Formats: sequence, C-alpha cells, structure tokens
Amino acid sequence: SQKIEQNSEALNIQEGKTATLTCNYTNYSPAYLQWYRQDPGRGPVFLLLIRENEKEKRKERLKVTFDTTLKQSLFHITASQPADSATYLCAWGNTPLVFGKGTRLSVIA
Amino acid sequence: EAGVAQSPRYKIIEKRQSVAFWCNPISGHATLYWYQQILGQGPKLLIQFQNNGVVDDSQLPKDRFSAERLKGVDSTLKIQPAKLEDSAVYLCASSPGQGVGDTEAFFGQGTRLTVV
Repeated sequence: SQKIEQNSEALNIQEGKTATLTCNYTNYSPAYLQWYRQDPGRGPVFLLLIRENEKEKRKERLKVTFDTTLKQSLFHITASQPADSATYLCAWGNTPLVFGKGTRLSVIA
Repeated sequence: EAGVAQSPRYKIIEKRQSVAFWCNPISGHATLYWYQQILGQGPKLLIQFQNNGVVDDSQLPKDRFSAERLKGVDSTLKIQPAKLEDSAVYLCASSPGQGVGDTEAFFGQGTRLTVV
C-alpha cells in the first residue's frame, strides 16, 4: 500500500536560516504532493501543491521540490521567522489524501 | 467565503457512550473527508465522500463508526460505542476537486473528543 514518511519529528533552527523538511514516499508514485501547516488546536492549512512533472514550486519564502527518482519532496522555508514555528505535514495527493506524521518546526530567535 | 464548520468544538464522554460530530463543508465542494488525528500524529483518513457517495472508507472501524453525507452537503460522523482509544481530534475537510489530490483541502478546526 502507499506510504508517506516524514523522517524528522522535530527540527530546531535559528531565525534567519533556511529550514528544510523532508517527505519520502514508497510504492506508488503520487501524481501530486501537497504541503500543509498546522498550528496547535487548529486544522491544517494548505501551503503548496506540486505535480509529478514539476521539479520545483515557489510561493514567497516557501519552496517545494519533487524528485521522482529519489521518491522525495523537500520543503524549504527561507529566512525563517519565529512565526514559522508550527507542524508541517506532507500529503500524498492521490485518492485518498494520505498524510505523513508531520515535522514540528521551531524557529529560535 | 465561509470556511468548513464543525461542531461541537469539544466533547467529553464516558466509554461505551455514543457521540456524533457534524460538518458543514464549503458551499459547492464535492469532496468531503473525515480524518482522525491522535496527539502527535498526522491526520488519518476515516472516510472520503464524493458528493453523497463513499469513495474510500477502508480505514473506518465500521463496527463502531458510521458516517453519512446528507444530500451531498452536510455530513455527520458517529461513534457507538466509544472506546478510550477513540480520544482524538476529528477533522472534517472539503475540496472543490474530484478528490484525486489535484486541489487543496480546506479543514475545519476539528472536534476534540475525550473518552474517559
């Protein structure tokens, strides 16, 4: 069955640095990968979607890559700020929408 | 545009009792999802509807959980009887697409269920 993994449970970085989060998938290759942000006590909020034929997608300080050879997506936040502290979830964009466990990012001032 | 509405926000029940959660998706969204999120884990899909038909309910514990989507709009998720391990946040999400992952999902704030 399809499986999606976020290897790091938690990541701490200094303000201003680039945060890089990893999402790996096994078995079936997804046509789409989605990234979400979740704050404590709230539902996930959509950030970016990348298709399998796209190598990279950007939105403001966010960048997502999709490497079908490595079966991996990387999510980057440049010039990170304490307000970026949250849990980031990747989701396998097929039917159904399957989520990884998430990576809790803490940006330290 | 109004977001996905869920109620109640919090619920505490004793084991073996029943409970129901309600979700009103964004108007016009064909796809509706129910997820269970246990503390520290990612959301786990329970059931996906496309309009008022079930697309996937493979991970729904059907001996105790049931869900319906009325006229392809609102949805209810019921647990009867509840177990301690059902303590979690129940998230409802909707999407304007056909549920193949090519469009974003919009989530409600969730219902936090505590079973004691």
